[in-house]
Amino acid sequence: EDKVVQSPLSLVVHEGDTVTLNCSYEVTNFRSLLWYKQEKKAPTFLFMLTSSGIEKKSGRLSSILDKKELFSILNITATQTGDSAVYLCAVSKSNYQLIWGAGTKLIIKP
Amino acid sequence: DVKVTQSSRYLVKRTGEKVFLECVQDMDHENMFWYRQDPGLGLRLIYFSYDVKMKEKGDIPEGYSVSREKKERFSLILESASTNQTSMYLCAILRGLGAEAFFGQGTRLTVV
Repeated sequence: EDKVVQSPLSLVVHEGDTVTLNCSYEVTNFRSLLWYKQEKKAPTFLFMLTSSGIEKKSGRLSSILDKKELFSILNITATQTGDSAVYLCAVSKSNYQLIWGAGTKLIIKP
Repeated sequence: DVKVTQSSRYLVKRTGEKVFLECVQDMDHENMFWYRQDPGLGLRLIYFSYDVKMKEKGDIPEGYSVSREKKERFSLILESASTNQTSMYLCAILRGLGAEAFFGQGTRLTVV
């Protein structure tokens, strides 16, 4: 059975800290791994990863995929209160289905 | 820019009512999906559709049905709403080589 597991489930840090969110997967017919940020509304797209070892970067956020060990990490440096959200990881299969993790709830304290 | 629009942001319905959730996309995409999202459970797929008049069950189709009469519109129907269907409902289309999902704004449904 396909599964995507995110850890930790929740995390509380202080502003300025660096955080690492984890996503491991066991999915057949892997196409890509996707990261989303969800505040009090629908998820918004952050990154799509298809190849191992190639870091994707957007400002203070970065992500990398390891297709051999079947995991990805999302790093956020110099965190701000606006980074507080649920971060979702999903794996896209070749038949266009998405398998979702349960999310990591990140709280940034001022 | 892709636009996926859900008809209501918030909805309150009574147990036993028939409920329609509408989703419209403006990009001529074949694939449309309905998810529900509950705390600690992530997004769970209810139904999806690859084309007009085509539908496939997802992981949790019980208590739901769908309709896709036109390519741009995918409706989720709760035949007889129950309190355990209180949830956030998200419509999405998938786009691109990596099948990136674009979501509507979500409908928070409360069944009382």
